[in-house]
Amino acid sequence: DAGVTQSPTHLIKTRGQQVTLRCSPKSGHDTVSWYQQALGQGPQFIFQYYEEEERQRGNFPDRFSGHQFPNYSSELNVNALLLGDSALYLCASSLGPGQGVSEAYEQYFGPGTRLTVT
Amino acid sequence: AQKITQTQPGMFVQEKEAVTLDCTYDTSDPSYGLFWYKQPSSGEMIFLIYQGSYDQQNATEGRYSLNFQKARKSANLVISASQLGDSAMYFCAMRGYNDMRFGAGTRLTVKP
Repeated sequence: DAGVTQSPTHLIKTRGQQVTLRCSPKSGHDTVSWYQQALGQGPQFIFQYYEEEERQRGNFPDRFSGHQFPNYSSELNVNALLLGDSALYLCASSLGPGQGVSEAYEQYFGPGTRLTVT
Repeated sequence: AQKITQTQPGMFVQEKEAVTLDCTYDTSDPSYGLFWYKQPSSGEMIFLIYQGSYDQQNATEGRYSLNFQKARKSANLVISASQLGDSAMYFCAMRGYNDMRFGAGTRLTVKP
């Protein structure tokens, strides 16, 4: 049973460039969430995709956008990269959008993509 | 706004002893979920345990238990019989209606 996979593992970009990160959810999962984890900090929620639509969004600028495909895989796009965008980007998958917060909403995380902006 | 606070940047515990990692939270949502994740140096977040805000009993998963005190808004993680492989970063997280928030984490080091 394949878990959550992310590509690439590492990426180096220059300020002002654009980047696309990819995520394939765990088999049977239909919801993908993206998180940014800066060095020494906890993950910060970027957005969540379910049924190919952005369902929830954290406090991130419009430079951060995403997409979900019919096979439930997802992409995170970041435009006009800033030095502060350097971080570990984590993808997490789950079954359903997790609207029922009193339910066991278990997310499975991928290994992450380490983005360095120079 | 939701907020998660982990006040222990680092903790040390002797192998085979128990350790408690602190977590307090603040939310105005009437219903929420509380989570603990382990993050080894490899970077992958590993789900450990979940507690729903309306659950009457504290959650347990093997050597992990969550000491949930709703009135105090605390959700401490207790790890019993620590093992060397428990050395990692531990994050407390809360899911409300709008998003999921993580604390800053606690680095646990298990000494042989």
